[in-house]
Amino acid sequence: DTGVSQDPRHKITKRGQNVTFRCDPISEHNRLYWYRQTLGQGPEFLTYFQNEAQLEKSRLLSDRFSAERPKGSFSTLEIQRTEQGDSAMYLCASSWTSSGEQFFGPGTRLTVL
Amino acid sequence: RKEVEQDPGPFNVPEGATVAFNCTYSNSASQSFFWYRQDCRKEPKLLMSVYSSGNEDGRFTAQLNRASQYISLLIRDSKLSDSATYLCVVTGITPNAGGTSYGKLTFGQGTILTVHP
Repeated sequence: DTGVSQDPRHKITKRGQNVTFRCDPISEHNRLYWYRQTLGQGPEFLTYFQNEAQLEKSRLLSDRFSAERPKGSFSTLEIQRTEQGDSAMYLCASSWTSSGEQFFGPGTRLTVL
Repeated sequence: RKEVEQDPGPFNVPEGATVAFNCTYSNSASQSFFWYRQDCRKEPKLLMSVYSSGNEDGRFTAQLNRASQYISLLIRDSKLSDSATYLCVVTGITPNAGGTSYGKLTFGQGTILTVHP
């Protein structure tokens, strides 16, 4: 499968714990995006990378959230001191710089108890 | 006011019906427009791009009115397999070292469609 992959697919954690998610984009894509989706809403932009550079971060991304893409390939999204409001589907997408289409991964569903 | 607004529905239609979805966006600087489809508990997938001249892909027709900041999607001859959430999406253009490129996607809330036998 050469699509976008995400790991884990599901994560249940207790409030206050730290969690880390991984995204592997389509190999030739140099742009990688993170979005968050809650029930009944469309995805909301969190941040994106071009190669290893983080070019934009949403106001939604509080200081408890950090994302990295150290070698311009896979990316990680870490949430520290999780809160119940962090429960959501975290989606990763990738694209060519010159293409409008973003291909989404299957998402990581986070539940904070 | 949300940047992209859609009627959340749900729309419940019989097979063979024609159904139309509407969407408005608030940022007049938006450059590109799309409809994405999202099946239950799955990731969004691009359905079609939307152009001012209007574009058609089989049973699907999309239209953009920049003056009114309004986007539409028409589905003719609905099939059971069309049941999904339809997401209206806009994006701007951001600079990069190679020129310009599409940036973050801004999604509407989504419109739920259920096609029944």
